[in-house]
Amino acid sequence: QQQVKQSPQSLIVQKGGISIINCAYENTAFDYFPWYQQFPGKGPALLIAIRPDVSEKKEGRFTISFNKSAKQFSLHIMDSQPGDSATYFCAAGRNSGNTPLVFGKGTRLSVIA
Amino acid sequence: EAGVVQSPRYKIIEKKQPVAFWCNPISGHNTLYWYRQNLGQGPELLIRYENEEAVDDSQLPKDRFSAERLKGVDSTLKIQPAELGDSAVYLCASSLSDQPQHFGDGTRLSIL
Repeated sequence: QQQVKQSPQSLIVQKGGISIINCAYENTAFDYFPWYQQFPGKGPALLIAIRPDVSEKKEGRFTISFNKSAKQFSLHIMDSQPGDSATYFCAAGRNSGNTPLVFGKGTRLSVIA
Repeated sequence: EAGVVQSPRYKIIEKKQPVAFWCNPISGHNTLYWYRQNLGQGPELLIRYENEEAVDDSQLPKDRFSAERLKGVDSTLKIQPAELGDSAVYLCASSLSDQPQHFGDGTRLSIL
């Protein structure tokens, strides 16, 4: 199975709050899980990525949590800001980056003041 | 470092017409991808190149789509003839060996 399921489809968060987006995958061969951020009219930009040998990775306000046994991973955005308003895509792939990524359907995040 | 450059940014054509998209990857990146992104969806792979060789084109509709990557650098993606369902954003991405993929801003195609 190649599917990556992402939820929620849309999310509204107050400024300063925590945004949480969840993803689940089926193919146990996947070993690379990036998150991309996309603004309107722009291409996806890599935000943060994780491999299954760690359960959490943090970069600034962005944290990935990974549960290998449940085949789930999530993105947490701490202290969410209006500038974080964008569409977020989780993805899964193999061998780091140079194999095709399977993307979720995206989550449209709106951070309101 | 310049990013992935795509042109044109927008293209409007009538159905049954041909159309072509161009991609210039990041310098030195040996792997190039074409993805299609339908409205409200995530990108889906069409074709992947390792240098000049197409190594994964199973999702490319070969009856109307074609692609080439001359000299292992720039790439073009062509549709002939275009159908209404081809309206989408066509994204190009590139990567170096086992490094993450970097995307261009895409070509938004509208079929009338």
